[in-house]
Amino acid sequence: GAVVSQHPSWVICKSGTSVKIECRSLDFQATTMFWYRQFPKQSLMLMATSNEGSKATYEQGVEKDKFLINHASLTLSTLTVTSAHPEDSSFYICSARGGGPNYEQYFGPGTRLTVT
Amino acid sequence: AQTVTQSQPEMSVQEAETVTLSCTYDTSENNYYLFWYKQPPSRQMILVIRQEAYKQQNATENRFSVNFQKAAKSFSLKISDSQLGDTAMYFCAFMKRRGGADGLTFGKGTHLIIQP
Repeated sequence: GAVVSQHPSWVICKSGTSVKIECRSLDFQATTMFWYRQFPKQSLMLMATSNEGSKATYEQGVEKDKFLINHASLTLSTLTVTSAHPEDSSFYICSARGGGPNYEQYFGPGTRLTVT
Repeated sequence: AQTVTQSQPEMSVQEAETVTLSCTYDTSENNYYLFWYKQPPSRQMILVIRQEAYKQQNATENRFSVNFQKAAKSFSLKISDSQLGDTAMYFCAFMKRRGGADGLTFGKGTHLIIQP
């Protein structure tokens, strides 16, 4: 149980275009989803926290107009990178939290974004 | 804000040996969780072990155990009888115990290599 999927797993887009990444909890309802960014050979950095039906909370330094997050249902959150630039190329990982007492976060497999 | 420090960028041990990965953290919170995550080359984040700060007993999961020193803000991971499949990046992570509303703060990671 507690499976989280991401789609696509790898996307290449041209500079200036927008790209959407989906994060789905497949077998549980995720009250909260988190988006992380990981540069090569570096750690994960929390970008934003999203709760179903409300606006996302962004970490300091993350541009909310560039990284649009929508948590439309208890099983789906999307991250849209708008007007992508090469410096947005990175590995984006989502995680989802169910309602269990340990508040464990279940991670998706990640999405590699390459902006050319 | 909290910080997590992993001072060992890379470690290498022989198969079947015991290895300890270090982690220190800084926080003003009193209630929180600490985690060790494994990230193999597939980049899927895998939870290795979890420790709740209010519990004095150190967590253990099969070959994995922690040494949690709350006063010293230290949270090391011991891997016994290391196996080739343990080769991966290991991240120490902190989460406030605040209804699960917070994301994880990760350390920079330790690349663990198990030699045959």
